[in-house]
Amino acid sequence: ETGVTQTPRHLVMGMTNKKSLKCEQHLGHNAMYWYKQSAKKPLELMFVYSLEERVENNSVPSRFSPECPNSSHLFLHLHTLQPEDSALYLCASSQAPTPDSGNTIYFGEGSWLTVV
Amino acid sequence: EDQVTQSPEALRLQEGESSSLNCSYTVSGLRGLFWYRQDPGKGPEFLFTLYSAGEEKEKERLKATLTKKESFLHITAPKPEDSATYLCAVQAVFQGAQKLVFGQGTRLTINP
Repeated sequence: ETGVTQTPRHLVMGMTNKKSLKCEQHLGHNAMYWYKQSAKKPLELMFVYSLEERVENNSVPSRFSPECPNSSHLFLHLHTLQPEDSALYLCASSQAPTPDSGNTIYFGEGSWLTVV
Repeated sequence: EDQVTQSPEALRLQEGESSSLNCSYTVSGLRGLFWYRQDPGKGPEFLFTLYSAGEEKEKERLKATLTKKESFLHITAPKPEDSATYLCAVQAVFQGAQKLVFGQGTRLTINP
C-alpha cells in the first residue's frame, strides 16, 4: 500500500476513444502530479497541481487533459490518443514546497496504457 | 537546464559482490537529490533524500552519498531481492511548485 492509488492498472483504448485515469492519495498531501514513463526514456513530468492550482506545462499535447477536483483526487482525461502515447502513467503526491526546501514525492503503482 | 545522468545503464553482479551506482547532475540551486527503486511493472519506491554535499544516508545494504556534482548509491553484499531499476532525480522548484528531473536509471541484476 503506497498511499497513492491509481485506477485502472491496465487500459487498452482505440485512437478515437475517450477514457480517464484516476488517482487518489491518502497521505494528506496538497500537491499532485502526473508523470509519463516510456520505454528507454526518463520519467517526464506532465502536470502539477499545487495547493489546488494547476501549473501549466506547455510541452504536453492537448489530447491529455488533467482535472484536480480536490487535493486528494486527480484525473487524466485521454482523447484521440496516438499509438506513441502508449506508456506507464504515474500519479504522485507530496506536500507543496516551501521557499527554502522541497518535499518527498510519493508515487502510485501506475496505469499501463496501450493505444491501438 | 537541469540534467541527470546515471551510469552504468545496466549492472549485473553476483550475490555478495559490492558495487556503486553513479548519478551526475547539473541543477540551478539543488533543493534535494532523490533515489528511488522501481520493480518491473510498479511505481518508483522512495529510498533516500540528500540535501547537501557530504551528506550520507543508509538503509539496510544501501548507502547514498552526495557531492556537489554527483551522488553514489553503494550496495554492500547485495542479495537477489535487491534486483531492480534504481532511479536518481534532482528536485527543482518552478512557478511555486516543485518537480523531479529523473535520470534514465540503472538496471541492477543480482545473480544468486
